[in-house]
This record gives sequence, structure tokens and C-alpha cells, in this order.
Amino acid sequence: EAQVTQNPRYLITVTGKKLTVTCSQNMNHEYMSWYRQDPGLGLRQIYYSMNVEVTDKGDVPEGYKVSRKEKRNFPLILESPSPNQTSLYFCASSSPGQETQYFGPGTRLLVL
Amino acid sequence: AQSVAQPEDQVNVAEGNPLTVKCTYSVSGNPYLFWYVQYPNRGLQFLLKYITGDNLVKGSYGFEAEFNKSQTSFHLKKPSALVSDSALYFCAVRDRGGSYIPTFGRGTSLIVHP
Repeated sequence: EAQVTQNPRYLITVTGKKLTVTCSQNMNHEYMSWYRQDPGLGLRQIYYSMNVEVTDKGDVPEGYKVSRKEKRNFPLILESPSPNQTSLYFCASSSPGQETQYFGPGTRLLVL
Repeated sequence: AQSVAQPEDQVNVAEGNPLTVKCTYSVSGNPYLFWYVQYPNRGLQFLLKYITGDNLVKGSYGFEAEFNKSQTSFHLKKPSALVSDSALYFCAVRDRGGSYIPTFGRGTSLIVHP
């Protein structure tokens, strides 16, 4: 089954404790991206990747890092989480020309 | 630069009535336009897209949208709403000559009353 998976689905952590949210897709898509969803603000892009080793900042990259060492994986790293990063995070993938984005189920993060 | 606006935070409609969820966009060049739906506690699901060709696009679950270049709009419509259509709807745009990743609107909550 074609899908995007994210782990963990739910995470409670404390300020400053580094964490990684994993994202993996099995559709051989070149493009992958991370969004955060906040009430009243909709979806905002954090980082995106065009292909392996090619990443770029989105609209709200501060406090986040990403890497794309393999085509299928695109982890989101919070080096020192803060309470304003409490949010619902979505990973998505797509391929050039197809345009449709496939979303993961989301990761709900609470930073205390 | 690319941007999209969904002017209504919430749309209420009675079951069986037609529904419209509004979306306007701004791009430098020509747009790719999309609608996605999010059900409670779920990820976003693709509904339909406009790439080129016919301005009226038909998608999943009986939804359709019309691309209007002069009004820079891409409103989502359905002739007869169902209670199960209640969800959060997102419009998105990608500038063909710009970013490789689309920009999403704030979302519109559709509530269909029995």
C-alpha cells in the first residue's frame, strides 16, 4: 500500500530535550516536505526537499532541522524544542509532474 | 511569490443543499490549484486538482471546482451536501514557474447540518 508514515504519532517532551520525528514514504517520490498545523493559521511549510541531499527552508524553518540522506526518509529534528513548537506536524511527499501530495497521519507534539 | 486565501473560517449548510467553499489565489505565473480535505484526527487527503485544460474539475466524493483565471478563484462546490462531508477543507496553490511545493490556505471548516 502506498503510504507516508510518521513516528511517533504523539509525543510529550520538555523544553530543550532534542527530538526527532521520522517520516518515510514508499512511493519513490522525489519531493518531501514538512508542515505544521496550528488553529487559525492552517498549514505552514517548515522545510522541503527536492531530492537526496537537497533541502530548503519553507515559511517557518526557525528551530527545526532536516536531512535527506535517503530518498524514502525525511526526518524532522528539533534540537532544542520550545513550547511554541507545540503543534500538529505533517510530512508529505509528491513527485514532479504528478503534483498530488500524499500526507502522513500527523504527529501531535506537546512541549512543556 | 504564491499565496492563497480562504475567506471563510466556517461554512454551514443543511444536508441536501448545495455547498460552496471559497478560495482565491495569487501567483506570478500560471497556477496549479488543489483542494484537500481533513477529517477529524486524520491527515490531509487529496480531493481534486487543476493543472491545465477544462476549467471545471471533478474530484472525489462528488466534489468539483471551477478555475476562474480572471477572478483568480478556485471555489469548491458540491450540488448536494452530506453530513459526512463535514470536515476541514484546504485550498493550495503552486506557481508553475516558482516553488516546487504548494502553499496552503488556512482552511475552512464545513459543517453540514442534518
